[in-house]
Amino acid sequence: KQEVTQIPAALSVPEGENLVLNCSFTDSAIYNLQWFRQDPGKGLTSLLLIQSSQREQTSGRLNASLDKSSGRSTLYIAASQPGDSATYLCAAKGAQKLVFGQGTRLTINP
Amino acid sequence: DTAVSQTPKYLVTQMGNDKSIKCEQNLGHDTMYWYKQDSKKFLKIMFSYNNKELIINETVPNRFSPKSPDKAHLNLHINSLELGDSAVYFCASSQEFMGVNAEAFFGQGTRLTVV
Repeated sequence: KQEVTQIPAALSVPEGENLVLNCSFTDSAIYNLQWFRQDPGKGLTSLLLIQSSQREQTSGRLNASLDKSSGRSTLYIAASQPGDSATYLCAAKGAQKLVFGQGTRLTINP
Repeated sequence: DTAVSQTPKYLVTQMGNDKSIKCEQNLGHDTMYWYKQDSKKFLKIMFSYNNKELIINETVPNRFSPKSPDKAHLNLHINSLELGDSAVYFCASSQEFMGVNAEAFFGQGTRLTVV
């Protein structure tokens, strides 16, 4: 049974810092790994999708990496901004479903 | 142009009532899902449908009955609502083909409050 863990549960940093969010999964037999952003009271916005055959994906200031053998993914955010404040969720895709971590609540302080 | 849309966005109802949440996707995806986000913000899958057929039912009480009239729609009907059903329900869709599983898109969620 797939289990996904995100560390830390909450993170507060000053504006402008680079930061890394961590995601680990127990079953390496995944099809892909997806990172989402959730703002309070809102839905999920897809940020990056990494296929199982890929090592990383980049979108703007965001870079996600995937190491299937060690069951880990990281989301790197460069030059953080107050608008980046949100909960970040990773989800591992197995057969017909995504298994989510519990999220990292990120606060960027101006 | 909303990709995955759910209605209603908010639903407040009394215990024992029956209610439905509707979901539609205009992405042409063949797979749709219902997820539940509890008070601790943990997202867990409830159902997965592929081309209108039920693929996954994650030990959800049979008071919850999904219905997929076509592959663009997946509705969720809940009978005899209980206090513990209060949560945010998310609909999602993705395209599953040739072993390459594509990006999942989520609706904005339906916040269900049972009083």
